[in-house]
Amino acid sequence: KNQVEQSPQSLIILEGKNCTLQCNYTVSPFSNLRWYKQDTGRGPVSLTIMTFSENTKSNGRYTATLDADTKQSSLHITASQLSDSASYICVVSDRGSTLGRLYFGRGTQLTVWP
Amino acid sequence: EADIYQTPRYLVIGTGKKITLECSQTMGHDKMYWYQQDPGMELHLIHYSYGVNSTEKGDLSSESTVSRIRTEHFPLTLESARPSHTSQYLCASSELEVHTEAFFGQGTRLTVV
Repeated sequence: KNQVEQSPQSLIILEGKNCTLQCNYTVSPFSNLRWYKQDTGRGPVSLTIMTFSENTKSNGRYTATLDADTKQSSLHITASQLSDSASYICVVSDRGSTLGRLYFGRGTQLTVWP
Repeated sequence: EADIYQTPRYLVIGTGKKITLECSQTMGHDKMYWYQQDPGMELHLIHYSYGVNSTEKGDLSSESTVSRIRTEHFPLTLESARPSHTSQYLCASSELEVHTEAFFGQGTRLTVV
């Protein structure tokens, strides 16, 4: 069964600190992995998208890594800001007949305190 | 800022009413999706479309229906709303190619009383 598991479920950090969020998946055949940021009551916004051949990608203070062999990804946030408080969702796409079906994790709820 | 719009943002209606949630995108994307999301839970695909006159049901059993008469418009209709339909509904769109970004609307928060 295609699944995406994220950890931790929730995380509280102080402003200015770094943090790392984890994502494990069983989606096969693998196509790409995406990280989204979702503010409360809003739609998700894309942070990064990585294909099989990419093992790291950065977007400002966000750096995603991918190990396609172990089927793991991480999202590292550097020098956190209050505006980073949101849910971070790992999404994996397959290469099945549906032209890239998206499988969503439940997200990690990050809270940044001043 | 993505050019995909959902209306209304919030809706409270009575049981048994018929409702239509609107979704429009101006990016010319062929693929469009409807997802349902409960608080703290993952998004579940309820409908998708690969282009005009193409609609398919997703993973989550849903009593809703969709139509795709125009590329930019993908409305979702509930013929008779029930309290179990209370949820957040998210619309998304993307190009046909596999490794392209999916853009999401702001969502419609539906409450059926």
